[in-house]
Amino acid sequence: AQSVTQLGSHVSVSEGALVLLRCNYSSSVPPYLFWYVQYPNQGLQLLLKYTTGATLVKGINGFEAEFKKSETSFHLTKPSAHMSDAAEYFCAGGGSQGNLIFGKGTKLSVKP
Amino acid sequence: DTAVSQTPKYLVTQMGNDKSIKCEQNLGHDTMYWYKQDSKKFLKIMFSYNNKELIINETVPNRFSPKSPDKAHLNLHINSLELGDSAVYFCASSRGLPINTGELFFGEGSRLTVL
Repeated sequence: AQSVTQLGSHVSVSEGALVLLRCNYSSSVPPYLFWYVQYPNQGLQLLLKYTTGATLVKGINGFEAEFKKSETSFHLTKPSAHMSDAAEYFCAGGGSQGNLIFGKGTKLSVKP
Repeated sequence: DTAVSQTPKYLVTQMGNDKSIKCEQNLGHDTMYWYKQDSKKFLKIMFSYNNKELIINETVPNRFSPKSPDKAHLNLHINSLELGDSAVYFCASSRGLPINTGELFFGEGSRLTVL
């Protein structure tokens, strides 16, 4: 079955620290991978995406992710967390019907 | 000018009632979706329409009926509401299928509370 797994439902970092949010996908998921962010009381918006080409993908707000086929991973990183990064982050992969399958989300908290 | 707009934003109703949520997109997209987000933030696709035709219909009770009068609108009607229907419902749109174009555009959500 197709699945996208996010490790850790809640990650807490200090302001200025490295952000690492983990995502693994099942090998049956087509290699189209995305990270979305959801701020409180808002819809989701795209942070970055991998479809083809360079495996290190840069997105908005200083985030980047690396597609690693051998590890079936697509972890999201940011070198230095800001308070404004506090939000829910969703990893998603392409489903068999062309839709997106979302992971269960990781809540990022940023401490002053 | 909101790209994907949903109404109402909040909906509180009694068990057994029937309610509708409306969605409109002004992006010129041809594919629209309804997603359900539960209290644990888990997002699950319910329906997808491409050019007014139903293309994805996940395992959803038939109390839920989507309707797409045209490419820019996708409404969700729910009959005989149950407590478990309480959730945030998100409308989204894309140009073609998202795995091809890479992006879903989401509305701000409609929070449904069934008492």
